Amino acid sequence: SAVISQKPSRDICQRGTSLTIQCQVDSQVTMMFWYRQQPGQSLTLIATANQGSEATYESGFVIDKFPISRPNLTFSTLTVSNMSPEDSSIYLCSVVPPGLYTGELFFGEGSRLTVL
Amino acid sequence: AQSVTQLDSQVPVFEEAPVELRCNYSSSVSVYLFWYVQYPNQGLQLLLKYLSGSTLVKGINGFEAEFNKSQTSFHLRKPSVHISDTAEYFCAVSDPRGSYIPTFGRGTSLIVHP
Repeated sequence: SAVISQKPSRDICQRGTSLTIQCQVDSQVTMMFWYRQQPGQSLTLIATANQGSEATYESGFVIDKFPISRPNLTFSTLTVSNMSPEDSSIYLCSVVPPGLYTGELFFGEGSRLTVL
Repeated sequence: AQSVTQLDSQVPVFEEAPVELRCNYSSSVSVYLFWYVQYPNQGLQLLLKYLSGSTLVKGINGFEAEFNKSQTSFHLRKPSVHISDTAEYFCAVSDPRGSYIPTFGRGTSLIVHP
């Protein structure tokens, strides 16, 4: 299994500012994803973080709003830019466990963001 | 495209009672199915998964789920719940012939009362 650490675990931010969330994995992983979990909603995939190249964004998410970096196989960051109260959510980093890929994911503990 | 419906947003139950959390999926192809649990202030943790074979799948913490292809369901059950089972439960589906990236349901909040 992989141990995933996310920072910060929670934060309260002002409208118009930006926040960068870090995701550190204790082993090299090929596939990393960023999800958003809004209150009472399903998990929504924001993007796939690709090592050494631009992230692949899902419909409704754009690089200007959610820039992602992945400099190596154990680390990624997600920035939430120009925040508004609608960005208040839990942001989750997830990785694919080693072996045959079935869709199973390991998750970090999440970063709980409140925008005032 | 696949979708997942969790029919109950909240399920209250008394301790030691049985519980069933319902999950239906929509897909035109064979799928892999998962149940995850999210305890308060934590990330998601895999409870169990169905890939192939026996339709009754056993997971951690005494939970089990049954895959029913004709009803496109994957309901989660536990014969006797504990206070510590209070958590959010998510059903997810992935397409083994597609990208494998899972689609999640909206979650069911299980609330166990003493």
